[in-house]
Amino acid sequence: GIQVEQSPPDLILQEGANSTLRCNFSDSVNNLQWFHQNPWGQLINLFYIPSGTKQNGRLSATTVATERYSLLYISSSQTTDSGVYFCAVRGGTSYGKLTFGQGTILTVHP
Amino acid sequence: DTGVSQDPRHKITKRGQNVTFRCDPISEHNRLYWYRQTLGQGPEFLTYFQNEAQLEKSRLLSDRFSAERPKGSFSTLEIQRTEQGDSAMYLCASSITGELFFGEGSRLTVL
Repeated sequence: GIQVEQSPPDLILQEGANSTLRCNFSDSVNNLQWFHQNPWGQLINLFYIPSGTKQNGRLSATTVATERYSLLYISSSQTTDSGVYFCAVRGGTSYGKLTFGQGTILTVHP
Repeated sequence: DTGVSQDPRHKITKRGQNVTFRCDPISEHNRLYWYRQTLGQGPEFLTYFQNEAQLEKSRLLSDRFSAERPKGSFSTLEIQRTEQGDSAMYLCASSITGELFFGEGSRLTVL
C-alpha cells in the first residue's frame, strides 16, 4: 500500500516563528488532507489539497503531486497551534481509505 | 451540530466484555469510515462503507470486531471479548466527496 512519511517528527517553536511541515508519499494520490489533532483527540480539517496551493489565514499548504510531496506552512505561530499535525492520502482513483502519516508534534512556547 | 457524532465518548470495560460504539455521519454522507488510533501513532484504517455495503476491511479487523451500517445511515462497531490491546481511540469519519470529516472519537480503556 501507499506509504506516507512526515517530517520533522517533533518541532519546538517560540511564539511568532514560522514553520514548514512536510509530507512525502510513495504513489500517485487522488486525495490529500492535512489535519490538526486537538488535545481531546478530534481531527480538525485544515486542508483538502490533492494538488495546488491553498491558504487559510496564517496557514497555507502546497501539494506537488508529480513530485509526491505536500507542505504545510504555519506563519506567526501561536500557542494554540500546538498539537499533532497529520497528513493523510488516498492512492489511486477509489473512494477508499485514507492512509495517515505518523504526524508532526508541534509545541509553541510563549 | 451537524458534524459526525460518536457515542459513547469514553468507555471503560473489563477484559472479556463486549463493547459497541455508534457513529452518526453527517446527513447525506454516503461513505463512512472507522479508524483506530493508539497513543503516539497515526490513525489506522479499520473499515469503510458506501451506503450499507462494507467495501473494504483491514486485516486489523480481527474476527472479534464487527461493523454494520444497516440502513446506510448510522454505523456500529462491536468488539467482542475485549483484550487490553484493544485500548485505543476509535474514530469515525464520513464523506460525500473526497474529503473526510471526523467525529470526536470514542476512547476505549480495557482493564
